Amino acid sequence: EVQLLESGGGLVQPGGSLRLSCAASEFSISTYSMNWVRQAPGKGLEWVSAVDGPTGTTYYMDSVRGRFTISRDTSKNTLYLQMNSLRAEDTAIYYCAKKGTTASPGNYFDWWGQGTLVTVSS
Amino acid sequence: DIQMTQSPSSLSASVGDRVTITCRASQDIGKYLAWYQQKPGKVPQLLIYGTSTLQSGVPSRFSGSGSGADFTLTISSLQPEDVATYYCQKYNSAPWTFGQGTKVEIK
Repeated sequence: EVQLLESGGGLVQPGGSLRLSCAASEFSISTYSMNWVRQAPGKGLEWVSAVDGPTGTTYYMDSVRGRFTISRDTSKNTLYLQMNSLRAEDTAIYYCAKKGTTASPGNYFDWWGQGTLVTVSS
Repeated sequence: DIQMTQSPSSLSASVGDRVTITCRASQDIGKYLAWYQQKPGKVPQLLIYGTSTLQSGVPSRFSGSGSGADFTLTISSLQPEDVATYYCQKYNSAPWTFGQGTKVEIK
């Protein structure tokens, strides 16, 4: 069965940095696009970033572009999110999520990790 | 960017009731719409993709319909285990935006 295991969350001061990881198993992240989706406390879901499986093309939501960097290590089958210049409004649970199909368009999410909490506060 | 608007934001219904949630896109997205269920304190789960295709394991009381800009999620007979927040998501192109969610409770 597919598994996605996030790590790296924690408490960080405004302006600080954090790197999240998502270890995937039972499928190849070179085949399927991978995503980061976040959820602020008591709020809805917000797509953050994606990396296309076959091409490695990256995508970002406007408010994180230039501050966050999505990357992957295909040899470790692991996804990353480097978050710099963090703001209070970045406080959220961050989920990694697998694209549900290799077809395009098709970036809906069929498997989600348990999430890792990022808190930006002084 | 295309905006996704769900209605209502919340609803309360009795067990056995038929429940309908609407999702409207600000532009035509074809049939590239998914629905998710997030139970309290849990991870979101995919319910429906391609507007109307049920994800494996999803009970048949859930159904989806629509196309273009107007979409509907229907629960034919509400069950206690359906208490959750439901989100639509467009996936025709980036950014892959979610609706704001609809919270479903039992009356």
